[in-house]
Amino acid sequence: AQSVTQLGSHVSVSEGALVLLRCNYSSSVPPYLFWYVQYPNQGLQLLLKYTTGATLVKGINGFEAEFKKSETSFHLTKPSAHMSDAAEYFCAVDGYGNKLVFGAGTILRVKS
Amino acid sequence: EAQVTQNPRYLITVTGKKLTVTCSQNMNHEYMSWYRQDPGLGLRQIYYSMNVEVTDKGDVPEGYKVSRKEKRNFPLILESPSPNQTSLYFCASKLGGSGGSQETQYFGPGTRLLVL
Repeated sequence: AQSVTQLGSHVSVSEGALVLLRCNYSSSVPPYLFWYVQYPNQGLQLLLKYTTGATLVKGINGFEAEFKKSETSFHLTKPSAHMSDAAEYFCAVDGYGNKLVFGAGTILRVKS
Repeated sequence: EAQVTQNPRYLITVTGKKLTVTCSQNMNHEYMSWYRQDPGLGLRQIYYSMNVEVTDKGDVPEGYKVSRKEKRNFPLILESPSPNQTSLYFCASKLGGSGGSQETQYFGPGTRLLVL
């Protein structure tokens, strides 16, 4: 069985501040992990993914995430928030190839 | 342009009136899937298809049907919609085959359904 927990349904940061969105997963098979972003009234866009190899993964728009097996975590970070980063972010895991299991999502608000 | 398309984008209907939401992809992907998104629950899988004529239930299949007669199309059918099926629906596809879990799923723009 697989599950994803995103800590914090809403996160608010100031423009220019560090963005940290937390994701913990549970998987009985080696996990492949994904972060997707959803802008208002749009579909989901892949930010980054971890499959194998380097545990620090860089994605689009300056985001990155680190896979930590010992902590079963895959937190998303960005050094400096922009207003355009305001969106909902979803962490997901796929271990069996037949579906993505999503977290509940975190809405990021960026204050000017 | 590589994409997943869904139609309609918005739909208001009444309880019991059969409807179909179409999904099409132009990337020659083997795998396609339907998810529903509800506030506080993230996205949950309804049905998926590993290839033509191969479909299987996801986590919330009750009240839905699908078919996969062609590789590019994967319609979602609600034979007797009920208010609890009011939701935002996403179709997704990925290459499939042996690549499996590590491949990226590409999502359509979503269909917002309201069942009165």
